[in-house]
Amino acid sequence: ETGVTQTPRHLVMGMTNKKSLKCEQHLGHNAMYWYKQSAKKPLELMFVYSLEERVENNSVPSRFSPECPNSSHLFLHLHTLQPEDSALYLCASSPSTDSISPLHFGNGTRLTVT
Amino acid sequence: AQRVTQPEKLLSVFKGAPVELKCNYSYSGSPELFWYVQYSRQRLQLLLRHISRESIKGFTADLNKGETSFHLKKPFAQEEDSAMYYCALSGGVNRDDKIIFGKGTRLHILP
Repeated sequence: ETGVTQTPRHLVMGMTNKKSLKCEQHLGHNAMYWYKQSAKKPLELMFVYSLEERVENNSVPSRFSPECPNSSHLFLHLHTLQPEDSALYLCASSPSTDSISPLHFGNGTRLTVT
Repeated sequence: AQRVTQPEKLLSVFKGAPVELKCNYSYSGSPELFWYVQYSRQRLQLLLRHISRESIKGFTADLNKGETSFHLKKPFAQEEDSAMYYCALSGGVNRDDKIIFGKGTRLHILP
């Protein structure tokens, strides 16, 4: 499959659970991103990876832990989340972190924390 | 500080009528501006960007530095234009600033 693929599409978890979101891109891009999309808020950038190195961490709480084992895969490990963390989590990739490079988004994971 | 403002949450336009989705920005340097679109049940995707100066699906957007605006326009709306539209800004090729997004405007084309 081409493009950016995210799994799972939906996730419901309790506050004491540990889960992971997965993102895979088949575009040959060097940069990958995690965004959070909450109701009534703009898309919030969480993490940026360039060639598997984290280049940006936008003051995200430590209960969110990213991992980028290679330039095609990106994970977001979740533990002891809060109900306010419920949101749509979008993964994106781009050819580079050059800020004129357009972003290619996945379909997102709809996360509900109970 | 960087900021992107889309003043309309919802815009309803009759089919065949002109469309204008407003976007204003705040940025201290020379920004690069984008419009992204999300159709129903599809992923968020790039519609057009200022640097390309292109027309996509009949949409155009002109950067007005005096008014700090990047409004999206189409002369004749089509039903398939119904979607969520996001204006986005970045610092351009020589800057490290990453892309930030507005809150989005839902465009509803009425038959």
